[in-house]
Amino acid sequence: AQKVTQAQTEISVVEKEDVTLDCVYETRDTTYYLFWYKQPPSGELVFLIRRNSFDEQNEISGRYSWNFQKSTSSFNFTITASQVVDSAVYFCALRMNRDDKIIFGKGTRLHILP
Amino acid sequence: GAGVSQSPSNKVTEKGKDVELRCDPISGHTALYWYRQSLGQGLEFLIYFQGNSAPDKSGLPSDRFSAERTGGSVSTLTIQRTQQEDSAVYLCASSPTVNEQFFGPGTRLTVL
Repeated sequence: AQKVTQAQTEISVVEKEDVTLDCVYETRDTTYYLFWYKQPPSGELVFLIRRNSFDEQNEISGRYSWNFQKSTSSFNFTITASQVVDSAVYFCALRMNRDDKIIFGKGTRLHILP
Repeated sequence: GAGVSQSPSNKVTEKGKDVELRCDPISGHTALYWYRQSLGQGLEFLIYFQGNSAPDKSGLPSDRFSAERTGGSVSTLTIQRTQQEDSAVYLCASSPTVNEQFFGPGTRLTVL
């Protein structure tokens, strides 16, 4: 069975601190894709990143970085020097190559305190 | 350009009534997805379409839920005999490929 676990339900950090959001996934497939989405208070989900299972290279985009480790089935997301605008719910998701369904984790609610 | 649109943005209905929720995907997107997000919860997959066909209906919570898509474009999610537990935000997403999804703003359904 396929599953995405985001163990951190809610996190609060003070602005400018770094924060890492954990994501652990389960699948027996060898080809799959992992995603992160952001849901700000406005409600509309925003795509952040997609990573395929054959590309373990970590990625950095501005203050955002992602650490994909197949050995631990994890795809963690780090925000460096957090800002109040980063406050949102963040979802990790998994899709297998053999079908189109995307499985979401339950999300982590991130509060950045001024 | 135009994104995914959903209507209505808010719907309040009485228990037992039927409701229809509409999703207009981005033009040319072949895949269309419906999700449900209950208050403070994650996204619960309901159904997805590839063109007009729905290969996976496994997420529909009961036979009161149905969905259709016509012309490879607009989709309608219908909930019959609504119950209070159906209250949630219903999100639609479309995708040009099988990877990146573009989400609509959602329809907030409240069943009294």
